[in-house]
Amino acid sequence: AQSVTQLGSHVSVSEGALVLLRCNYSSSVPPYLFWYVQYPNQGLQLLLKYTSAATLVKGINGFEAEFKKSETSFHLTKPSAHMSDAAEYFCAVSEGGSQGNLIFGKGTKLSVKP
Amino acid sequence: GAGVSQSPRYKVAKRGQDVALRCDPISGHVSLFWYQQALGQGPEFLTYFQNEAQLDKSGLPSDRFFAERPEGSVSTLKIQRTQQEDSAVYLCASSLAYRGTTNEKLFFGSGTQLSVL
Repeated sequence: AQSVTQLGSHVSVSEGALVLLRCNYSSSVPPYLFWYVQYPNQGLQLLLKYTSAATLVKGINGFEAEFKKSETSFHLTKPSAHMSDAAEYFCAVSEGGSQGNLIFGKGTKLSVKP
Repeated sequence: GAGVSQSPRYKVAKRGQDVALRCDPISGHVSLFWYQQALGQGPEFLTYFQNEAQLDKSGLPSDRFFAERPEGSVSTLKIQRTQQEDSAVYLCASSLAYRGTTNEKLFFGSGTQLSVL
């Protein structure tokens, strides 16, 4: 069965600093992996997804994630944090390649200090 | 509307009451999903509709949970005899594509926060 683990329920960075949100997955089949962002009082929004085409995936708002099979990781990064990046971020893996039945991690809340 | 709309935004119910949560997907979207998000947890899959057909209800936690989408657009999630453990945010998502297609993209609503006292 697939699962994801997000390390750190809360991450705080200064504006302009590197953002690194960690995600490790467990999957018996080649995984489809996703990062979603949830701003306060809004729905989840897809940041990026990995579907085996390229290991480095670029998403919206300057975020990117790298799939590392040897480390079973799919960490999310952004070179320079903006105040507007403050939100909760969810890593997810899909069952059998479908985006439908997503299995989410518990989420990491990102705070950005001025 | 431009996005997925859910109502009510907040619902408070006494234990034992029945509740109905509504989801208006984006017009023309064939796929509709319901997720449950408990406090401090990620969303968990409940059920999936393709048009009016409920193709997957493997995530529904008990027979107190029932979902329908009779005309292939608006969907209602009903919870009978609510319990305190049902307190959560219920998220609806829709997609233009069928589940499992590579270009599928889910659009989520803001959710209904259910509190059972």
